Amino acid sequence: DTGVSQDPRHKITKRGQNVTFRCDPISEHNRLYWYRQTLGQGPEFLTYFQNEAQLEKSRLLSDRFSAERPKGSFSTLEIQRTEQGDSAMYLCASSPQGVGDNEQFFGPGTRLTVL
Amino acid sequence: GQQVMQIPQYQHVQEGEDFTTYCNSSTTLSNIQWYKQRPGGHPVFLIQLVKSGEVKKQKRLTFQFGEAKKNSSLHITATQTTDVGTYFCAPPEGGSQGNLIFGKGTKLSVKP
Repeated sequence: DTGVSQDPRHKITKRGQNVTFRCDPISEHNRLYWYRQTLGQGPEFLTYFQNEAQLEKSRLLSDRFSAERPKGSFSTLEIQRTEQGDSAMYLCASSPQGVGDNEQFFGPGTRLTVL
Repeated sequence: GQQVMQIPQYQHVQEGEDFTTYCNSSTTLSNIQWYKQRPGGHPVFLIQLVKSGEVKKQKRLTFQFGEAKKNSSLHITATQTTDVGTYFCAPPEGGSQGNLIFGKGTKLSVKP
């Protein structure tokens, strides 16, 4: 399967711990997005990469969140000192750069539960 | 900040009935995308609308973009149980590189 993959699929952690999630986009896609989704809501934008450059970051994003895409391929999202309010599904999406449809391909997500 | 409103939030229909969800924005949109998320799944792209007044069809699904490019709709004819899920409209955030603004979506349930 050459779709977007995310690891782990589920993560349970205690409040105050750090967690890191990984996203592997579709190989030829140079755009990569992170979203967060809570129950009953639509996905909420967190940050965006074009190749290895982090070009946009949500103003709502806490300083405890950091993301990297060091070689322009996979990306990691780290949450430091987790809080119960961080419990959510973290979705990664990728898209190719070009004209036409800007379809975003979403991965299956990482479900985070902070106890 | 920029927001999109979708109505209704929930819709329960009998299989075979039609279904419509509406998406409204306070600002003029450059384009709008629609996604479907099945229960327990992730959003899957359905379509992108770009032109004022544009209408696109995919089998039983009809998508419209308003003349003023501030609203959009998705109509499903003769719903089937496979149509169950949440439908999101998602325009790009103004001035962004393509990150999408999702509303709360419309959750569709279909009774067989």
